[in-house]
Amino acid sequence: EVQLVESGGGLVKPGGSLRLSCAASGFTFSSYSMNWVRQAPGKGLEWVSSISSSSSYIYYADSVKGRFTISRDNAKNSLYLQMNSLRAEDTAVYYCARDGPGIAVAWGQGTLVTVSS
Amino acid sequence: NFMLTQPHSVSESPGKTVTISCTGSSGSIASNYVQWYQQRPGSAPTTVIYEDNQRPSGVPDRFSGSIDSSSNSASLTISGLKTEDEADYYCQSYDSSIWVFGGGTKLTVL
Repeated sequence: EVQLVESGGGLVKPGGSLRLSCAASGFTFSSYSMNWVRQAPGKGLEWVSSISSSSSYIYYADSVKGRFTISRDNAKNSLYLQMNSLRAEDTAVYYCARDGPGIAVAWGQGTLVTVSS
Repeated sequence: NFMLTQPHSVSESPGKTVTISCTGSSGSIASNYVQWYQQRPGSAPTTVIYEDNQRPSGVPDRFSGSIDSSSNSASLTISGLKTEDEADYYCQSYDSSIWVFGGGTKLTVL
């Protein structure tokens, strides 16, 4: 069974930092691109960042470019998101998601990040 | 930038069929795969359709996806509506390797 388990969320002050983790199991993690997607309270889904299977290709949404860093450790079947210079508008549930091809996108249960003083 | 537009909300009665559209802003929506996600209140999204029209195991065949190149749109059709289908539905495609989401459609089954 495919499982993606996010952790690391919490309450942080504006300007602060947080590191999210996503532990993957049930599939060959090193074969798939991975993504972070967020959802602000009462809003829709927003793609944040993606990383290819070997970390060769990395992309960011303009809203987080220069502040967030995505990375992965294929030996540990783990995905990370380092979030710096956090703003109130970064408050959201953050989901990790496995991309295809050839199989359905898999989602984690999410971790809540709240940026507030 | 490529955008996907969905109706804000749709409603239909149990047992009926509903179709949710997802229209691409430019280019050809058929150039990249479209996924559809269901999100019930308080829960994470789940995939109901991937790669335009593929159903993950466990998703009932009441859910189907299609592409209409003439209108540059993708559609999610749910037949035999059940109250448990009430949820938000999001389409998603790609723009030069990055994910693009539609704004979401709230489906009410009443």
